[in-house]
Amino acid sequence: QVQLQQSGPGLVKPSQTLSVTCAISGDSVSSNSAAWNWIRQSPSRGLEWLGRTYYRSKWYRDYALSVKSRITINPDTSKNQFSLQLKSVTPEDTAVYYCARDQGLGPQPFDYWGQGTLITVSS
Amino acid sequence: EIVLTQSPGTLSLSPGERATLSCGASQSVSGSYLAWYQHKPGQAPRLLIYDASSRATGIPDRFSGTGSGTDFTLTISRLEPEDFAVYYCQQYDSSPWTFGQGTKVEIK
Repeated sequence: QVQLQQSGPGLVKPSQTLSVTCAISGDSVSSNSAAWNWIRQSPSRGLEWLGRTYYRSKWYRDYALSVKSRITINPDTSKNQFSLQLKSVTPEDTAVYYCARDQGLGPQPFDYWGQGTLITVSS
Repeated sequence: EIVLTQSPGTLSLSPGERATLSCGASQSVSGSYLAWYQHKPGQAPRLLIYDASSRATGIPDRFSGTGSGTDFTLTISRLEPEDFAVYYCQQYDSSPWTFGQGTKVEIK
């Protein structure tokens, strides 16, 4: 059974960098058949896919255009986890952030999700 | 990007009734790469249906999905008390993967 356990601060100040981590159990961040995603949910934007990382002989990253200039998703193989960093945040980045897995070499849905982390951007 | 529009926004039904939820896409979703999720407050979203009509592991057969192209439907044949939640559709045909705005199924 795959489990994704998220951790991160609940409050971030405007202009600072938001960081959330997702620890994986029951699978490997280096799996050749999974991808590791970040998704957020806010009242104004609904559910929004932010980006993903995956390993296929080397590491790949895909980012949504809406955040591409500010986002970094990194794997940490030593801890079997991956992280989201979003820099220069504004109150519009206030949301519940989820990590999620999609599995397979072709188009796949998100089959496992983390519990969500509420991040509030406020001074 | 593919925009998904769900209707209705809210469905007020009683346990035992049938629920029919719709998801329309702004352009064709090839391969029927469309999923449905159930989301309850404070919980992680739960995958119900993938590839438009395949039930995910452990999902009861009262949940069914149909559709192709731009029109998709999730049907819950007989609502159980635990089915009252928000339901989202999501396409994974074309990046960026996008979600509908959700349909809330509430107790009448």
